[in-house]
Amino acid sequence: GENVEQHPSTLSVQEGDSAVIKCTYSDSASNYFPWYKQELGKRPQLIIDIRSNVGEKKDQRIAVTLNKTAKHFSLHITETQPEDSAVYFCAAIEYTGNQFYFGTGTSLTVIP
Amino acid sequence: DAGVIQSPRHEVTEMGQEVTLRCKPISGHDYLFWYRQTMMRGLELLIYFNNNVPIDDSGMPEDRFSAKMPNASFSTLKIQPSEPRDSAVYFCASRPGQGIAYNEQFFGPGTRLTVL
Repeated sequence: GENVEQHPSTLSVQEGDSAVIKCTYSDSASNYFPWYKQELGKRPQLIIDIRSNVGEKKDQRIAVTLNKTAKHFSLHITETQPEDSAVYFCAAIEYTGNQFYFGTGTSLTVIP
Repeated sequence: DAGVIQSPRHEVTEMGQEVTLRCKPISGHDYLFWYRQTMMRGLELLIYFNNNVPIDDSGMPEDRFSAKMPNASFSTLKIQPSEPRDSAVYFCASRPGQGIAYNEQFFGPGTRLTVL
């Protein structure tokens, strides 16, 4: 099965700085890579995703990059704000779209 | 649409008691997933259904756990008997079977279970 590793487990940045979270996956058949944000006590919510036929995707301050050859993908948050503080999960999904393999999460703290 | 609905939101029970968690997926979604979240193990997929049929229950930790989906709008996850190590947040998620959001899973608010 798929194995997703996520780093770092915790990340603190000053407000306005950038944050980068990295994930690696093992199964080359995986073709969909979402990122979920989970605020304290809330449900995980999709913030951005990328498919294997795309190398980069951007949505305002959030971007995701994918390197299929190296089997890694990253989440980039620019101009961080205190409301970006949350736990972020990456996931890799194989072609059926059913088995979500989640990373272990990154707790991001943005210091005002 | 109200999104995925779960009940109860919080459950406190004593060891040995039966616990039933409930989920209503988004209308029209063909897939339903049950996850467990703990600090130690993160998000774990327990079981998922397609068109009310269980497809993969390999994540169910042991026979004390069972899940059903009697119809397209309702699913239950039952723990009998419950143990303190079952304490976790249990999420239900659903996704459509086709369309633009084909892959995206929509999570419910979760049920926080505490077994004393």
